[in-house]
Amino acid sequence: GGIITQTPKFLIGQEGQKLTLKCQQNFNHDTMYWYRQDSGKGLRLIYYSITENDLQKGDLSEGYDASREKKSSFSLTVTSAQKNEMAVFLCASSMGASAETLYFGSGTRLTVL
Amino acid sequence: GDSVTQTEGQVTVSESKSLIINCTYSATSIGYPNLFWYVRYPGEGLQLLLKVITAGQKGSSRGFEATYNKEATSFHLQKASVQESDSAVYYCALSDRGNMGYKLTFGTGTSLLVDP
Repeated sequence: GGIITQTPKFLIGQEGQKLTLKCQQNFNHDTMYWYRQDSGKGLRLIYYSITENDLQKGDLSEGYDASREKKSSFSLTVTSAQKNEMAVFLCASSMGASAETLYFGSGTRLTVL
Repeated sequence: GDSVTQTEGQVTVSESKSLIINCTYSATSIGYPNLFWYVRYPGEGLQLLLKVITAGQKGSSRGFEATYNKEATSFHLQKASVQESDSAVYYCALSDRGNMGYKLTFGTGTSLLVDP
């Protein structure tokens, strides 16, 4: 079986700081996703990528950049962290572009001081 | 846009009792969306519990069932007899075609606590 590895597990930043979250998958999946999870708000899609070097905006892309330089990796950048921001960022992958079944990483918990 | 509604944020059920977690959806695609239940057990990552891609069909896994009801636009999750190990957060989701590929839209999740 495969695995999705997210680093770091915990990320603490300062207001205004640029912060980067990384995700690696060894499923050889085509499509990768970044979701943000806030308490009581479920998961909201930030960016997804259906192949290497492709980027598609989700519902919550403002304030974020993403990069898919390799098929196996997908990084997310918070361009300017907001004070008191706290959320969990989840990376996922799926075999094709049909989102039939997503496999998730364990998440990166962000805290902004 | 697409949306998934889970009305219960938290549910407490006694062990061996029955369970229903409500889910309704709204999709913008011309066809019918695919419907999913994902689950996150304590200390674990989010994982697929069951999926149904055909309207009118039922999906099942680990004793849970959900039926794709396109008339009511519902996909409620049910179990006849819950166990303490079922305590987890359950998310209903749909996949629908966006401008480029499909994307998965999630509900806000229902936290299930099973009392022993």
